[in-house]
Amino acid sequence: AQSVTQLGSHVSVSEGALVLLRCNYSSSVPPYLFWYVQYPNQGLQLLLKYTSAATLVKGINGFEAEFKKSETSFHLTKPSAHMSDAAEYFCAVSDQGYSSASKIIFGSGTRLSIRP
Amino acid sequence: NAGVTQTPKFQVLKTGQSMTLQCAQDMNHNSMYWYRQDPGMGLRLIYYSASEGTTDKGEVPNGYNVSRLNKREFSLRLESAAPSQTSVYFCASSVQRGGGRRIRTDTQYFGPGTRLTVL
Repeated sequence: AQSVTQLGSHVSVSEGALVLLRCNYSSSVPPYLFWYVQYPNQGLQLLLKYTSAATLVKGINGFEAEFKKSETSFHLTKPSAHMSDAAEYFCAVSDQGYSSASKIIFGSGTRLSIRP
Repeated sequence: NAGVTQTPKFQVLKTGQSMTLQCAQDMNHNSMYWYRQDPGMGLRLIYYSASEGTTDKGEVPNGYNVSRLNKREFSLRLESAAPSQTSVYFCASSVQRGGGRRIRTDTQYFGPGTRLTVL
């Protein structure tokens, strides 16, 4: 069964510092992997996704993530944090199966805080 | 192109009252989903509809019913609301890619959410 683990429910970095949000997945076949962002009182929106093309995926707002099959990881990074990056981030995996069995499984989320 | 819309945005109910949350998408997606989000619990899938005419239970279906009215609309009904159903509810839609048993769900697009309080 597929699963997603996000390490760290809360990450705090200084403005201008590197952002690293960790995600490990479990899947029986090469998955689709996603990172979503949720700003306060809003729905989730897609940051980036991996669908078995390039292993380094670039997304919106300067974020990128690297798919590492050997480590079953899909960590999210941004070289320089901005105050506007403060939000909740969710990693998600979509496994392969029959139509009714194919769903997206979300991690529990990581709240990113930015210190001035 | 409105994407995924949800009504209402806010609702307060008394225990035992019923209500229906409405969701519509204009992206011609086959699959639609209802989630609830509670502090510290992440997103939990209530029900989903992989295609028009089908619905399936998710992780936390008790106390809820759904109707896939047509390809665009997917409603969530609380027959007898309980305080434990106080939550933020999100609807989402997506396409599925592949065929047979090699189907994958692609990007889910979310609505803005309904904040429900049950007193």
